[in-house]
Amino acid sequence: DAGVIQSPRHEVTEMGQEVTLRCKPISGHDYLFWYRQTMMRGLELLIYFNNNVPIDDSGMPEDRFSAKMPNASFSTLKIQPSEPRDSAVYFCASSLARGYTFGSGTRLTVV
Amino acid sequence: GESVGLHLPTLSVQEGDNSIINCAYSNSASDYFIWYKQESGKGPQFIIDIRSNMDKRQGQRVTVLLNKTVKHLSLQIAATQPGDSAVYFCAETLKTSYDKVIFGPGTSLSVIP
Repeated sequence: DAGVIQSPRHEVTEMGQEVTLRCKPISGHDYLFWYRQTMMRGLELLIYFNNNVPIDDSGMPEDRFSAKMPNASFSTLKIQPSEPRDSAVYFCASSLARGYTFGSGTRLTVV
Repeated sequence: GESVGLHLPTLSVQEGDNSIINCAYSNSASDYFIWYKQESGKGPQFIIDIRSNMDKRQGQRVTVLLNKTVKHLSLQIAATQPGDSAVYFCAETLKTSYDKVIFGPGTSLSVIP
């Protein structure tokens, strides 16, 4: 298994632009999580899905953030419009029961 | 409450020594705990877990201890190796929301060859 696959690995964008981060979970996993990691705030849970349905989006910072999971093998996290304070590493993780597997993350820089 | 990142504590140990990384949690409703290791440029990786009905669990070179009385968790790494250098996170889940994992701020372990 290739593990959790995230793309792109790095993204540099200008303030105000739309950013879309992508995630392919491990086949058969029924949970998918989006986390954001910064030095100031550590690892923060943004949103998670179970069987493609959003369960808890209380960690999504603002309406500028949205996440979708149209099918069991794909999820997106979109930021529109992006701001410099959104700069962080965004991780996707998937799980079956209680074991998380994380992707390698997307390093987002908003200038 | 939710974990908030703070200045990352650092632990330096000599290669071959044992390492002990500590973690305090505040929510008495937490019933499942996990330790993760994050190497530079990678996502966190599962190391070992423990349920609240246990106080000790051992893996390969790692042991997790749970003290529910003082809400304290520790990770012991035996015979620390250079490859153990990483940031270590403790994480917890609540009885009421077991699929939602909340991460602590992390501890940076540096192994001196």
